[in-house]
Order: sequence, then structure tokens, then C-alpha cells
Amino acid sequence: DAGVIQSPRHEVTEMGQEVTLRCKPISGHNSLFWYRQTMMRGLELLIYFNNNVPIDDSGMPEDRFSAKMPNASFSTLKIQPSEPRDSAVYFCASSTGGIPTNTGELFFGEGSRLTVL
Amino acid sequence: KNQVEQSPQSLIILEGKNCTLQCNYTVSPFSNLRWYKQDTGRGPVSLTIMTFSENTKSNGRYTATLDADTKQSSLHITASQLSDSASYICVVSALGSNYQLIWGAGTKLIIKP
Repeated sequence: DAGVIQSPRHEVTEMGQEVTLRCKPISGHNSLFWYRQTMMRGLELLIYFNNNVPIDDSGMPEDRFSAKMPNASFSTLKIQPSEPRDSAVYFCASSTGGIPTNTGELFFGEGSRLTVL
Repeated sequence: KNQVEQSPQSLIILEGKNCTLQCNYTVSPFSNLRWYKQDTGRGPVSLTIMTFSENTKSNGRYTATLDADTKQSSLHITASQLSDSASYICVVSALGSNYQLIWGAGTKLIIKP
């Protein structure tokens, strides 16, 4: 299996521009997570999908952030308009199970490093 | 408040030596504890997952221990290799919060030749 695939790996944009990050989960995994990692705050859960349905988006910082999962093999995280404080590494992760079992293993992608100037 | 604290913040050891990383948590009620390895510029990779009833779990040269009474865990690395240089993150899950993982800040381990 190719693992969780994220694109782009690096994105540099100017403040105010729209940013779209993409994720392809592992085939057969029906739980998908978007995380953000910064030096100051570590890893933070942004949103969790189960069977393509958003279950918990309480971690999404503000209305500028939105996420979709139109099918089992694709998800996007969009930031519009982007701000310098959005600079971070954004990770997508997937796992098996319904609502993941407590011991469900998370498989992470390689991340998308976003820099907003 | 559910928290996970790791120590030391960073550690430098010589190749071939052993080391132990610590994790203390206040998560309650406890469900499971995970250790992840994150190489620079890569996503975290799971090393072990331990439930309440497990005291020790090994994955090659990595051995994790769990003391649910004192709410402490350790990750012991034996005969370190240069490829062990990474951040090691302790993550705890509470019962009833299946997908909400409480992440520690990590220990940055550097192995020197």
C-alpha cells in the first residue's frame, strides 16, 4: 500500500491567498483526520471524518478553514484567506474501523508544509 | 485537565548507548497510551500502543513500559543507532474519547556517531 498521500509537500503563498491541501487516505480506511503541527502548540486535531462525514470540527481555528471529504479516497483542507499565523505543517492521517476503536492505529501522511508570507 | 508531559525535552547520546524517555499523564479515565516516532520532515509513525492491562511492550530495540497506577510510561531504546535520531511523542487516549488523542510535546533525541 502506498500509505497516506498528501499534496503539495510544500506551499509558499502570500497573505490573503487561498490554499488547498489534499489527502488520499489508505484504501479501506474509513476514518480520516486533519492535524496541524507547530513548534509552539505541537500536534492539534483540526477535524475528524468517519465514513466521509465530518464528526468533529471543533478544532478548526476559524471560519477561514474548511474541510471536505467528497468520497472515501479524497479529502481537502482549504484556508481562505490565508494569514501568516496559519504557517505550519498540516498532516492527514487515516485509520480503520467505524468510530475508531481505542487501539486503532493512526497512519500519517508526510505532511504539507505551509508558509504564508 | 487532561495533559501529557514528556521529559527530557531533548537528549543527546552516543551511538550504541541506551536511553530512556519519560512520559507522565493526567488523562482520566485512561484508555491507552501510544509512542510515536517522528523523523524530521516526516509524519509520526506508531511504535507501540498499550492498554491498561499491559505493562511492557516491545518493538525491536524499542521497549515501552506502562504503570497505570502512577500514570507513567517510559520508552527504552537499546543499542541506539543513528537512525533513531528523531522526536518521540507520547500520546494518551481517554475512555469515551476514541478519536481525541492527547499529544505530548515530544522528546528530541539526537544520536551522535
